[in-house]
Amino acid sequence: EPEVTQTPSHQVTQMGQEVILRCVPISNHLYFYWYRQILGQKVEFLVSFYNNEISEKSEIFDDQFSVERPDGSNFTLKIRSTKLEDSAMYFCASSVAGGTNTGELFFGEGSRLTVL
Amino acid sequence: GESVGLHLPTLSVQEGDNSIINCAYSNSASDYFIWYKQESGKGPQFIIDIRSNMDKRQGQRVTVLLNKTVKHLSLQIAATQPGDSAVYFCAENSPPYGKLTFGQGTILTVHP
Repeated sequence: EPEVTQTPSHQVTQMGQEVILRCVPISNHLYFYWYRQILGQKVEFLVSFYNNEISEKSEIFDDQFSVERPDGSNFTLKIRSTKLEDSAMYFCASSVAGGTNTGELFFGEGSRLTVL
Repeated sequence: GESVGLHLPTLSVQEGDNSIINCAYSNSASDYFIWYKQESGKGPQFIIDIRSNMDKRQGQRVTVLLNKTVKHLSLQIAATQPGDSAVYFCAENSPPYGKLTFGQGTILTVHP
């Protein structure tokens, strides 16, 4: 069964360092997303991406965050200067359709980011 | 502001019982709802969805009910099994879509 894969599974970094989280969406999917989940809290939307540009972003997704699809398979989330409050599980997701036809989002297993 | 929330944070049931997990939403423009299951250390897994033109939708051992009048959504799991133990989130998808708004989650524990 096709799945979304994420690397690394866990990353520990020092405050102020740059972090790149990587995702390989399902191959025929066209819409890509990043969500995050702070420990014990609900899953929060960060950003959606389609046709090589951001479709929508939340208030959390400030200038410290960026996304990129550097090639035909990878989708990355970069945090330029990490803060303690960035510590969370980051989930990548993808879907075949978007807009009014958005159906099931397929989530990866997540990348746990710990900022010290 | 708009939100999707859950009534009960925890639910404990015996194996074989039916489980009902509830969710309230406040955005009257919401027209697409999804239930996700999240097992420990894993990402959310799609269970079932329902659009606002429906009141009920059934899957394998699961049923979602939507009451638009009171903005209430429920997930019913029949013959609950220990493998159903997880956190269950309802999520709302509204225009322009692709941005899921998740509820806080209900922890379901199934005792053998």
